[in-house]
Amino acid sequence: QVQLVESGGGLVKPGGSLRLSCAASGFTFSDYYMSWIRQAPGKGLEWVSYISSSGSTIYYADSVKGRFTISRDNAKNSLYLQMNSLRAEDTAVYYCARCQGYVSYWGQGTLVTVSS
Amino acid sequence: QPVLTQSSSASASLGSSVKLTCTLSSGHSSYIIAWHQQQPGKAPRYLMKLEGSGSYNKGSGVPDRFSGSSSGADRYLTISNLQSEDEADYYCETWDSNTRVFGGGTKLTVL
Repeated sequence: QVQLVESGGGLVKPGGSLRLSCAASGFTFSDYYMSWIRQAPGKGLEWVSYISSSGSTIYYADSVKGRFTISRDNAKNSLYLQMNSLRAEDTAVYYCARCQGYVSYWGQGTLVTVSS
Repeated sequence: QPVLTQSSSASASLGSSVKLTCTLSSGHSSYIIAWHQQQPGKAPRYLMKLEGSGSYNKGSGVPDRFSGSSSGADRYLTISNLQSEDEADYYCETWDSNTRVFGGGTKLTVL
């Protein structure tokens, strides 16, 4: 069965950096676009970034453009999100998601807290 | 880019039916959307893909009680024979060439 397992979340100070990982299994990872989506405490879902199956096409939400970098390693069935210059408003649960246009599978999420 | 509008809350009685609405912004009425369910304290779960024609495809394991329909720019999620576990937040999603968008979500209370 499809599994997406995020890791790398934690507490970081404003201005700091963090790298999230997502380990995929149960499907042919290299066939699918992948996304990162976040949810601030008590708030709705916010798309962050997506990457094409080959990694050649990448888009970001305006709120993270220039600070976050999405990447993937198809040989390792893994998706990554490098987050730099973190702000308090980046505090959220970050979900890895498999995309078929729409999101068809979600990971369980990893919590990122940006606080001094 | 498209915008999705959802009512913030809805309620219905155990065993009854409820119809949730997601409205696409002007100029985007033909867009395909997806519905997702998020039970309290859990990750979201994909429910179905819904086209403007009203045709829908559900995810694996989604009960028959869940169905979709469309009318113009409106996309609907109908839940029949409401169960207590259906109490959750429901989000619609759509996408464009360089972005994806979520509605604000509807909090469904089962009375």
